[in-house]
Amino acid sequence: QLQLQESGPGLVKPSETLSLTCTVSGGSISSSSHYWGWIRQPPGKGLEWIGSIYYSGSTYYNPSLKSRVTISVDTSKNQFSLKLSSVTAADTAVYYCARSSRGAQDYWGQGTLVTVSS
Amino acid sequence: DIVMTQSPDSLAVSQGEGATINCKSSQSILYTSNNKNNLAWYQQKPGQPPKLLIYWASTRESGVPDRFSGSGSGTDFTLTISSLQAEDVAVYYCQQYYSTPYTFGQGTKLEIK
Repeated sequence: QLQLQESGPGLVKPSETLSLTCTVSGGSISSSSHYWGWIRQPPGKGLEWIGSIYYSGSTYYNPSLKSRVTISVDTSKNQFSLKLSSVTAADTAVYYCARSSRGAQDYWGQGTLVTVSS
Repeated sequence: DIVMTQSPDSLAVSQGEGATINCKSSQSILYTSNNKNNLAWYQQKPGQPPKLLIYWASTRESGVPDRFSGSGSGTDFTLTISSLQAEDVAVYYCQQYYSTPYTFGQGTKLEIK
């Protein structure tokens, strides 16, 4: 059974960089059939797609965040990562990693709450 | 960006009754090359990640009960729950994956009356 697990600091200071890693188990991140991505959800609000990456390293980003976002993949560790720079309180959210099959996200991590505060 | 608008924002239905949630996209999300609508429906319960219910607008994900069905094409889509069960209480989201940035509707909160 495929599993995804987010990890990283739960508290980030304003203006610093948020860094999260998603570890994939029960399947290979190098699958040619899937993309891997990040979605976030501010407390009590809706879902926002951040971006996706293919195992080859091809990326797609949300233009609203593009100048601050970097998604990378490490196939040797079966992981992919998110970096979001210059964070503010508006970046406080539950961050989910997910697999995309046929476009839709069919497997999700449990999510990790990241709070931006000094 | 393609804007996804759901209606209603909230819905209360008696157990055993049917529920309908609508989703409208600001432009067509039908790929004419394969005649597939790039529209997914998700269910999110409190404290849990979203769960994929429907993709390509009408294809049920493996393991999803057949009381859940999706329909529509182009810009107008519907999620129907034929006989509401207590465990269906959740927030439901539609999402287009026709073009990036992939965008979600604002969500519809479904409750038992």
